[in-house]
Amino acid sequence: KAGVTQTPRYLIKTRGQQVTLSCSPISGHRSVSWYQQTPGQGLQFLFEYFSETQRNKGNFPGRFSGRQFSNSRSEMNVSTLELGDSALYLCASSLESATYEQYFGPGTRLTVT
Amino acid sequence: GQNIDQPTEMTATEGAIVQINCTYQTSGFNGLFWYQQHAGEAPTFLSYNVLDGLEEKGRFSSFLSRSKGYSYLLLKELQMKDSASYLCAVKSCNYQLIWGAGTKLIIKP
Repeated sequence: KAGVTQTPRYLIKTRGQQVTLSCSPISGHRSVSWYQQTPGQGLQFLFEYFSETQRNKGNFPGRFSGRQFSNSRSEMNVSTLELGDSALYLCASSLESATYEQYFGPGTRLTVT
Repeated sequence: GQNIDQPTEMTATEGAIVQINCTYQTSGFNGLFWYQQHAGEAPTFLSYNVLDGLEEKGRFSSFLSRSKGYSYLLLKELQMKDSASYLCAVKSCNYQLIWGAGTKLIIKP
């Protein structure tokens, strides 16, 4: 069974630009969660999608948004990029809920200059 | 507020035993996860505890005390490949996961 895939793996953007990251969950998994990871900060929860609906949201500004498609694939968008948005963005899928065992993708390393 | 505390970094010797602690203060408790993350890689699931006591899985064991808001991950017969960060995460009352900052474990020969 294929694992969670994320594209692109690396991205360099300029302040003020916007970016879209993509995540394909494990086949059959309906829950997709997004996290931001920075050194020393651990995993910061962005949001969880289940059956195309946002089920939970973390404490991030409205510049961070996401969506999920009928095939469970998910995208995350960040508008008006700031230097502080430079981080590893991880996507995780699980069968029913983010509070079950999650399977993480390799992440997208975003650098904002 | 909600808080999870783990030591930032620990060092241990190959072949030895190490215990990584995690203390939590969250709005409710519905379970605790441990994940392993090697540098540059994604986290992978290690264990899940919802009841008090010790769960053993090979060289790794995880313990939970709900009354003390405390868990630990015990790694035995340490190998160099165990060098990684270990993340503790608590499932809170609204079923959100609250993550600790992780403990970087360094194994020396």
